[in-house]
Amino acid sequence: IVMTQSPLSLPVTPGEPASISCRSSQSLLHRNGYNYLSWFLQKPGQSPQLLIYLASTRASGVPDRFSGSGSGTDFTLKISRVEAEDVGLYFCMQSLQTPTFGGGTKVEIK
Amino acid sequence: VQLQESGPGLVKPSQTLSLTCTVSGDSINSGTYYWTWLRQAAGKGLEFIGRISAGGSFNYNPSLKSRATISVDKSTNQFSLELTSVTAADTAVYYCARDDYYDSSGYSKWIDPWGQGTLVTVSS
Repeated sequence: IVMTQSPLSLPVTPGEPASISCRSSQSLLHRNGYNYLSWFLQKPGQSPQLLIYLASTRASGVPDRFSGSGSGTDFTLKISRVEAEDVGLYFCMQSLQTPTFGGGTKVEIK
Repeated sequence: VQLQESGPGLVKPSQTLSLTCTVSGDSINSGTYYWTWLRQAAGKGLEFIGRISAGGSFNYNPSLKSRATISVDKSTNQFSLELTSVTAADTAVYYCARDDYYDSSGYSKWIDPWGQGTLVTVSS
């Protein structure tokens, strides 16, 4: 399954919202009703950290300004009000089959 | 839960890359999760390598063409990766992670947490 993210780069203003898109080449919706799509943030010099799984469930400790939505092949990660600590590389990952990742979206402060 | 990768940072072409992941704060022997290796080459995306359960069940990314072998040592709470016949294309940061994989259904709910990663360079 090929994962495609957009945009590649996203300059953001602190306090403003931000949105990242992820599209899969096949539906990630299982017959059990769940979409097997996760979002990760990789801060500079760190390993990826899980933000969202099952398309819309926030991982433990993740601030509620992060939200995930979508179903099937189109998914979105939204940050309601960007903070300086949110800069880094954001990845989506499908785990319905052998996991594959999007190419990443670099979020930086304007 | 913390995971820590260890192993040589430099491997010669055609040789075997060997890494170990030490798990703390969780027991591999509990059998609740799978344990996974991934990698990230500079300028390229993340790639899933393979996963293993406490009982030794495993699956690998077909793209690695059977070069990868993952094993588990429950007595030391570690799992390991061997990648044979390495080339410069295998130069990457290698990560280990915990994986909420359901082998009866073939899907994974999440992969978390990840180790800090270890850079392996393939060069003579």
